[in-house]
Order: sequence, then structure tokens, then C-alpha cells
Amino acid sequence: DQQVKQNSPSLSVQEGRISILNCDYTNSMFDYFLWYKKYPAEGPTFLISISSIKDKNEDGRFTVFLNKSAKHLSLHIVPSQPGDSAVYFCAPTYGGATNKLIFGTGTLLAVQP
Amino acid sequence: SQTIHQWPATLVQPVGSPLSLECTVEGTSNPNLYWYRQAAGRGLQLLFYSVGIGQISSEVPQNLSASRPQDRQFILSSKKLLLSDSGFYLCAWSRDRPHGYTFGSGTRLTVV
Repeated sequence: DQQVKQNSPSLSVQEGRISILNCDYTNSMFDYFLWYKKYPAEGPTFLISISSIKDKNEDGRFTVFLNKSAKHLSLHIVPSQPGDSAVYFCAPTYGGATNKLIFGTGTLLAVQP
Repeated sequence: SQTIHQWPATLVQPVGSPLSLECTVEGTSNPNLYWYRQAAGRGLQLLFYSVGIGQISSEVPQNLSASRPQDRQFILSSKKLLLSDSGFYLCAWSRDRPHGYTFGSGTRLTVV
């Protein structure tokens, strides 16, 4: 049962343009959503997060939008840079001391110079 | 500051051999600890998590086991590796929610 889906396995964008990465989830109990960035042969690193009480969170070039009714979130990167090329995972979580993150399947972003 | 160490970085093991991957965290106490696996072309799958010494929860039935002998040490083991155990194994720690995870650098395991 895939609770978190990133339906685009890959995305190619020109440098300077906007990158939009999408994530859909099924579990309405998720109340906190995180995005992670991963380079090959490295562990993921935290990028940005959003609480379910908000619909937008911005941090520099990165903005995350949350649509709870549609169970959908997206990550916008503007402007995209070649160094942004990596795999991006959305990772929601819900209540409890275990703080388990459920990772999506990931989207490989390639930013072309 | 907190750091997480995971080793070895790469490992090639024959089918049927045992496995032991170790993860240690420094600079924090009583962290939540996690083992994830990324199989080729797949996302990150949670294998085990632990909220305290000796407390292990398994997410997916499999050929692997985990142990937490000390507060900041998390070990992933197998008695007999299968080809399907190949993948990229990641250890992570977190504090109470809603904090995110800090991941180790990972172990690339190839079972031949």
C-alpha cells in the first residue's frame, strides 16, 4: 500500500526556470510534511517542511504548497540551478513518539545549464 | 553538534553470508533511530525503528534484524544474506516530532 506517491520519476528543467515537484498522499492522518534532497551514494538531507495547519512555506528559492483537501503537496524551486540536480523525496509523518517518516518514491530532477 | 556515523560505506558479500552494519550517533541522548533501505530504482523503505535501548519495531517482514544494545548504537544484521538484500542502507536519527531526520552517509551492499 503506497501511501505516498511521486508520479513523476524524473523531471528535466532549464537553468533559471521553475521546477515543480509533486507529491500525493492517501493517509489523512499525516500532519507534517517534509522534503528531502538526495545525491547519489549519499544520505538524504532535509530541505523544507510544512505543517498541515499551513498551506504554504517559503525558504529562499524553495516553496512548498499543501492542498489538504486534495491530499497533494508540491515543491517549487525558483530559479532552478544545476546544483539542484538530485532526487527529491516527499516524506509525510503523523502523530506519535516514533516520528516515522513515510517516504515517497522520489523524483530525479535534472537542471540543464 | 550531533553527528551520525555509519559504516562500512560499501560491502560485497556472498549469498548465505552474515551481515552486520553499525550506526552510531554522537551529541544527543535517547534519539529515535531508524534503518531504511533503497533498492535499485525504488524509494526509501523503512525497515526498523527504535525509540529506546532494546526496543525494536519491524516495519517489513524480511531476512534482516536490528538491535540497539546502547542508547546511541543501532545495528542491522542478517544470519544469511539473500540476493534480494542488495541495496543502499541508510541509518537515521531524530528527536521527538516534528523534527526531521538526520541521515548517515549510507552503506552500499551488494550480495553476489
